[in-house]
Amino acid sequence: TQLLEQSPQFLSIQEGENLTVYCNSSSVFSSLQWYRQEPGEGPVLLVTVVTGGEVKKLKRLTFQFGDARKDSSLHITAAQPGDTGLYLCAGVRTNAGKSTFGDGTTLTVKP
Amino acid sequence: EAEVAQSPRYKITEKSQAVAFWCDPISGHATLYWYRQILGQGPELLVQFQDESVVDDSQLPKDRFSAERLKGVDSTLKIQPAELGDSAMYLCASSLWGQNTEAFFGQGTRLTVV
Repeated sequence: TQLLEQSPQFLSIQEGENLTVYCNSSSVFSSLQWYRQEPGEGPVLLVTVVTGGEVKKLKRLTFQFGDARKDSSLHITAAQPGDTGLYLCAGVRTNAGKSTFGDGTTLTVKP
Repeated sequence: EAEVAQSPRYKITEKSQAVAFWCDPISGHATLYWYRQILGQGPELLVQFQDESVVDDSQLPKDRFSAERLKGVDSTLKIQPAELGDSAMYLCASSLWGQNTEAFFGQGTRLTVV
């Protein structure tokens, strides 16, 4: 059983559409990171959230950390082909010290 | 811009052979991680160093995998002997010491065992 469940596993949309991907767990996290990974490359950090209920915006990307710090979402407005990639969430459990990754959402944005 | 350096980018090796990967973390980062990422999955932590000490190697297959960070800077991950199931992307990451600190990844080494 995955500690972090990401959904959907695959998402294919047209340029200009909006989308939301999810990262859910039954465990509480002291922090949670979102990464984007392109094929053949390492993950690139997008954001870290640490406070329950926190919302962070990065241009067209909006990240939310759940009030109970068990889940998170990533919303992309007006998706562009350059947003294509694997979106990974990773959480650090309180007192665990190490990050655990979900299996990611593969996003394809078609021109 | 500081980045995590890994080499080689690609490695093809025959099963039962030995293979080694190298990682140079961002200067000043005390924590270094080695992850394995199988196609279609998220990265899985193999080993975590704090300076030169191993703090977590619970998921490292110790019968064939070894990792060292002798001077607390760069690190080597070795597999001997390699098996077909070891084919994956091997990622190195580094971070400042402490919880909630952000990890920065290298480009990875794509290993194919034939």
